[in-house]
Amino acid sequence: AQSVTQLGSHVSVSEGALVLLRCNYSSSVPPYLFWYVQYPNQGLQLLLKYTSAATLVKGINGFEAEFKKSETSFHLTKPSAHMSDAAEYFCAVSGAGGGADGLTFGKGTHLIIQP
Amino acid sequence: GAGVSQSPRYKVAKRGQDVALRCDPISGHVSLFWYQQALGQGPEFLTYFQNEAQLDKSGLPSDRFFAERPEGSVSTLKIQRTQQEDSAVYLCASLLVANTEAFFGQGTRLTVV
Repeated sequence: AQSVTQLGSHVSVSEGALVLLRCNYSSSVPPYLFWYVQYPNQGLQLLLKYTSAATLVKGINGFEAEFKKSETSFHLTKPSAHMSDAAEYFCAVSGAGGGADGLTFGKGTHLIIQP
Repeated sequence: GAGVSQSPRYKVAKRGQDVALRCDPISGHVSLFWYQQALGQGPEFLTYFQNEAQLDKSGLPSDRFFAERPEGSVSTLKIQRTQQEDSAVYLCASLLVANTEAFFGQGTRLTVV
């Protein structure tokens, strides 16, 4: 069984400030981990993924995430927030198969960027 | 097409009405998933196809939900006798094969009144 917990349904940061979105996971098998972004009335876009290679993963739009097995965490960060980063962010986990068993998503974190 | 296409984008149904939601995956993609996203929630797994075979339908919430992919390409999610709790965004995702990146469509927003 797999589950994802995203701490904070809403996160507000100032433009130019550090973005930190928290994700903790539970998985009975070595996990694949993902961050997706969803803009209003849009589908999900993959930001980055961890698939058991490097623990620090770099994604699109300046985002990165670090897999920490000891903490069962996969927090998403960006050094400097931009207004265009305002969106809903979802952390997701799948089994080592990466796709055949589907994705289990967290409830999402709404990122608000203050000017 | 270039991406996963879902239609209609928006659907308003009266309670008790049947609806059919369509997903056109990326050409050549073998794997196809349907997810249900309730307001303010993350997407939740409904069902999974590999080509035309429905390998997992454990996420379908009731026997009013039915999905098919008869030729291993386009998929249709059908909901019979819609209820208010069926109101959600229904997302489709396709993968070239299992273990590769999932590409999501824009979803169909179903509102049952």
